Order: sequence, then structure tokens, then C-alpha cells
Amino acid sequence: DTEVTQTPKHLVMGMTNKKSLKCEQHMGHRAMYWYKQKAKKPPELMFVYSYEKLSINESVPSRFSPECPNSSLLNLHLHALQPEDSALYLCASSQDWGRLYFGPGTRLLVL
Amino acid sequence: GNSVTQMEGPVTLSEEAFLTINCTYTATGYPSLFWYVQYPGEGLQLLLKATKADDKGSNKGFEATYRKETTSFHLEKGSVQVSDSAVYFCALSVQGGSEKLVFGKGTKLTVNP
Repeated sequence: DTEVTQTPKHLVMGMTNKKSLKCEQHMGHRAMYWYKQKAKKPPELMFVYSYEKLSINESVPSRFSPECPNSSLLNLHLHALQPEDSALYLCASSQDWGRLYFGPGTRLLVL
Repeated sequence: GNSVTQMEGPVTLSEEAFLTINCTYTATGYPSLFWYVQYPGEGLQLLLKATKADDKGSNKGFEATYRKETTSFHLEKGSVQVSDSAVYFCALSVQGGSEKLVFGKGTKLTVNP
């Protein structure tokens, strides 16, 4: 199984809502990532978890809160987002340097 | 620092045409180089990679050679198909550095029948 799954596929939320994005992989990968991708741009790294510990936080605003409950799961908790946070949120996992397996993404719209 | 520069396009070709997408890099240390592809409405997937100088990565008819002397990793395909229409990202990572994958800005390819 070389698949990274993400739920939901689409999400519309208001600026006062709290929601969570979920990501799952069953490849036994040691590292999991959250990326944000705006239209016609490359993905921007947000967070990296390595062996279930947060290893990189790219100065992401605190309204984004990652969580890694176990080696297969990665969550991104969202609270009080702004319209400019609307984007495609991609989860990825890896075992080897640079060789990332991406999920299909969650397309988020903040109203 | 580490960076990737690739031709931004968009690139529009007819089916069976030859494709080249240029990619150059700067890196501290010894990078591994990658091409990722993103089909419409999907996440990214690895197309090919090369981990040391003169290595050639290849997959689905695409090729790229790691050229240390010119710090380049140009993507080529001899005969493109409509199904190759996608956005292509050149990327690098430096082992022993951070866990970051540094992406170029992406090149959108459209292949017309």
C-alpha cells in the first residue's frame, strides 16, 4: 500500500469555525509533512514530524495546530482562519530523503 | 542557501513533440535531485530522481541527468502525449541538512492532440 489518504477532500469554513484535516499512511514511514499550496504555486512546507515528534515548524501562525497521534496519523487543527488561508493542503510521508509520497490534498475555502 | 530555478512556462506542445524543461540549482552540500508531477486536481507524485552526479533518472519515457558541472537537472521526453499535461516541479534535498524539499516554481505543460 503506497497510498497517503486525506480527509476531507473539500472543506468550507467560516473564520470562527474549528475544523481538522486528517491524513493517514500505512507504509511505516518515519516522517510526515503538511504543505500548503496556493494556485499556480509550488507547495510550501508548514510542518514536519519525524518519529512522531515535531521537527520543523516553518513559522506557521498558531491558528494552524498540527498533531501526530501515532506513526500512521497526522492531523492539522484549524481555528480562526483568514480568507487568505484558502488553499490546497497536502499531506506527505517519507522514509528516504526527498522521496515524498503525497496525498490528494484537502481543498480549503475560508469565508 | 538551497534553491531551484526552473523555466516557468506555460509550455504548450503538440502530441509527439519533444519536451525539455530546464532546471538549475544551487545547494550547499551534495543534493539529491527530483522531478515531481502534479496532474490536475491531484497531489504531487515523484516522476524521477537522481542522487549523485552523472546519474540519470528515468520513468514513463521522461529522463533527466544530474549535471554537477552545470548544476542542472533538465527534464526531457522524446514524444509527449496528451496525458502528460500537468505541472512539473523540479526539487532538491540535501541529506544531512533539514528535512526540507526545496521546490522550483513549477512548469505547466499542456499537450494538444
